[in-house]
Amino acid sequence: QQPVQSPQAVILREGEDAVINCSSSKALYSVHWYRQKHGEAPVFLMILLKGGEQKGHEKISASFNEKKQQSSLYLTASQLSYSGTYFCGTVSYGNEKLTFGTGTRLTIIP
Amino acid sequence: DGGITQSPKYLFRKEGQNVTLSCEQNLNHDAMYWYRQDPGQGLRLIYYSQIVNDFQKGDIAEGYSVSREKKESFPLTVTSAQKNPTAFYLCASSMVKGGNSPLHFGNGTRLTVT
Repeated sequence: QQPVQSPQAVILREGEDAVINCSSSKALYSVHWYRQKHGEAPVFLMILLKGGEQKGHEKISASFNEKKQQSSLYLTASQLSYSGTYFCGTVSYGNEKLTFGTGTRLTIIP
Repeated sequence: DGGITQSPKYLFRKEGQNVTLSCEQNLNHDAMYWYRQDPGQGLRLIYYSQIVNDFQKGDIAEGYSVSREKKESFPLTVTSAQKNPTAFYLCASSMVKGGNSPLHFGNGTRLTVT
């Protein structure tokens, strides 16, 4: 079953912050985050493996709440280059498949 | 440079024909995957392989077939049994199976069937 991402789309002005959420109905082993620009391949951002884990990648960070089976991606002081569609992917216990959400389209305007 | 090569970038076929999409990696990764991407539906797993000569069905395997005769190659055949084959197909690989290892994607093949 696909994880649910919210919001489906968001438009920000350059310099603003955004939060993208990913939730699952299953107990999660890990959460992946990827960004895809139009017509291109998805690019890996980060993996979170432990409940409560937080990671950072430039001005993009994420948290993983294992108890709530949720992860959030935080984009601070957004730049034009952050535009694209963000996908979370989840791996649940006992299932080694990575299942992706339907994506969140992020548009940054000057 | 290491990476994943998918070819061709664009592919056009007539309905009723089988077509094979190529995927080659030189990352020495054990696991390889095929995903299908349709507008608004994210990426859906077709097949995956964790080791040579072994592969498993993903969530939408019907109408597709794969082989894994070599570690670096994982071709996908879209058969005439696939009802809606027009889509963007992405091949990926990871160092190990499971959820610990990031996926590296190829640039995709856009298949159009008319």
